[in-house]
Order: sequence, then C-alpha cells, then structure tokens
Amino acid sequence: EAAVTQSPRNKVTVTGGNVTLSCRQTNSHNYMYWYRQDTGHGLRLIHYSYGAGNLQIGDVPDGYKATRTTQEDFFLLLELASPSQTSLYFCASRGGSYAEQFFGPGTRLTVL
Amino acid sequence: GDSVTQTEGQVALSEEDFLTIHCNYSASGYPALFWYVQYPGEGPQFLFRASRDKEKGSSRGFEATYNKEATSFHLQKASVQESDSAVYYCALSNMGYKLTFGTGTSLLVDP
Repeated sequence: EAAVTQSPRNKVTVTGGNVTLSCRQTNSHNYMYWYRQDTGHGLRLIHYSYGAGNLQIGDVPDGYKATRTTQEDFFLLLELASPSQTSLYFCASRGGSYAEQFFGPGTRLTVL
Repeated sequence: GDSVTQTEGQVALSEEDFLTIHCNYSASGYPALFWYVQYPGEGPQFLFRASRDKEKGSSRGFEATYNKEATSFHLQKASVQESDSAVYYCALSNMGYKLTFGTGTSLLVDP
C-alpha cells in the first residue's frame, strides 16, 4: 500500500513567519499534490507536480510556493505566513492518469 | 471550470438506515468520478471510482452509478453502521492529473 508521510503534524507560527511543510511518498508515484482543507470549502488544490523539478499551479496558489526536489519529496513553502493560511494541509500522491490518490495524515498549521 | 456539488452538508441517521448522499457535477468532456471517505484525524481515503456512463462503482457496501444525463454520482448504502460515521467527498477528474472535490458531507450514525 502506498505510504505518504507529512511533517510536522502540527505547526504554530506568527504572521510574517516562514514555514516549510514536508511530504514524502515511498511508492514511486509520479504525481504529488498539496491541498488545503477548510470547513465549507472541502479540499482545494494549491500546487502539484508530475516529477522532480516540475511544478504546476493549482486552484488556490496565492501565497504559496512549492518545490519537488526528488520523486519522493514535495515541499510547500509559506514565506510570509498570514492568518488566512491557518488550515489543515494534505499531501497526496498518485501513480497514473485517473488513478486513485493516496493522502498523508495532514499538517495542522496555525498562523497567529 | 469544473465543479462538484454536494447538497447535504450533514446527514444524521440511525444504524441500519438507508443512506443517500447526493453528488452532481459540472464538467466539459467525460470526467472520471470518485468517492473518498475521511475519518477523524486522518487523510481522505479512496472509496471507489467510475469512468463511464452507467458504470457502478462499489466498495465496503457503498455504491454509486455514473449518470451522465443527470450529471450525478449519488452515494448509497443499504444499511449504515456507526463505524460509517465520517466525511464523504465526491470528486471528479477531467484531465487525468488532478481532482476537483465537492465540499463534503458529514455522516453521523447513532448506534
């Protein structure tokens, strides 16, 4: 079974702070995704990637950068965190077109 | 753009009740449709998928049938259990590389 891990699991920062969320998948999947989950909005796609060095813009990219350093590792960067970015963040991976996505356990980020 | 509508934000049932969670979509082309389930404290998990008109997807007693004419993919289960309490997400994939999710339906089953 595909394994997706995220770190940290919880993070508290202040407005204007610099935050990096990490995601690693060990199933050799090509595609990786970052979502945020908010009540009333469900899951919204921030950025995604189909391989090392590749980055695609999702549906809610403002205020976020991302980098895919290897096939396994995908990072989400908040360089000037704002309270509106307080949310539950999920990473996911997928092997091929229309295949299921495997989600990590999530990172809860609070921006004070 | 593509969108998924789940009309029920919350559903409360008793054990052995029949469940229906409505899902309608709007998309160009011929999307694949998915259901995911999310238990408290976990990430969403794939439940099942359907890729063509009239195809039925099913898993763990849940099922849904792709209806292209009605643009629907309603989730049903004949007899729910307390352990089915979770948030259920309908989603579509139109270009093969990303999912568009609905806002989710929280199911609470009383024992």
